[in-house]
Amino acid sequence: AQSVTQLGSHVSVSEGALVLLRCNYSSSVPPYLFWYVQYPNQGLQLLLKYTSAATLVKGINGFEAEFKKSETSFHLTKPSAHMSDAAEYFCAVSYTGRRALTFGSGTRLQVQP
Amino acid sequence: EPEVTQTPSHQVTQMGQEVILRCVPISNHLYFYWYRQILGQKVEFLVSFYNNEISEKSEIFDDQFSVERPDGSNFTLKIRSTKLEDSAMYFCASSERGDSPLHFGNGTRLTVT
Repeated sequence: AQSVTQLGSHVSVSEGALVLLRCNYSSSVPPYLFWYVQYPNQGLQLLLKYTSAATLVKGINGFEAEFKKSETSFHLTKPSAHMSDAAEYFCAVSYTGRRALTFGSGTRLQVQP
Repeated sequence: EPEVTQTPSHQVTQMGQEVILRCVPISNHLYFYWYRQILGQKVEFLVSFYNNEISEKSEIFDDQFSVERPDGSNFTLKIRSTKLEDSAMYFCASSERGDSPLHFGNGTRLTVT
């Protein structure tokens, strides 16, 4: 069975500070991993995905994530937070042959001026 | 950029009534999905649809639910005899291929009273 754990339901950073949102997965087969962002009253927008190519994945808006098999992690980072990054971030996993995404519980990112 | 559109944005219904949530996927996409998010909880997979049939469904998607692609553009989710616990945000998504990223709509907030 596959699952995703996001540590920290709320993260607050100062504008310009490093953003680190944590995601750990469990999967019995090689996973596909995703980060989605949800702005208020909007749908889920894909930030980036890992599909067994490069372990360091670059996404939109300056975000990136690194797949670490030994740690079963796929943490999302951004070197310098911007006020517009305030949103809810979801990590999700799927695997070959099963299209359904299993989502984590989400992390709400606040950016303080 | 093409997007998935969902109507209505908010639906209020009485317990026991039937509701139909509507979605227009991106035009060249072949795979369609419904997810839901109960307030404060995870985004949960309901069903995926390909080639005019359900390809995968979760345990949530019981006989109360059905999906249909009545014409070449719409994709609907019908909930028969709604219950209070069906109150949630329902997201439609589509993807070009089975292994392509999902594009989500902005959701329909269903309130069952």
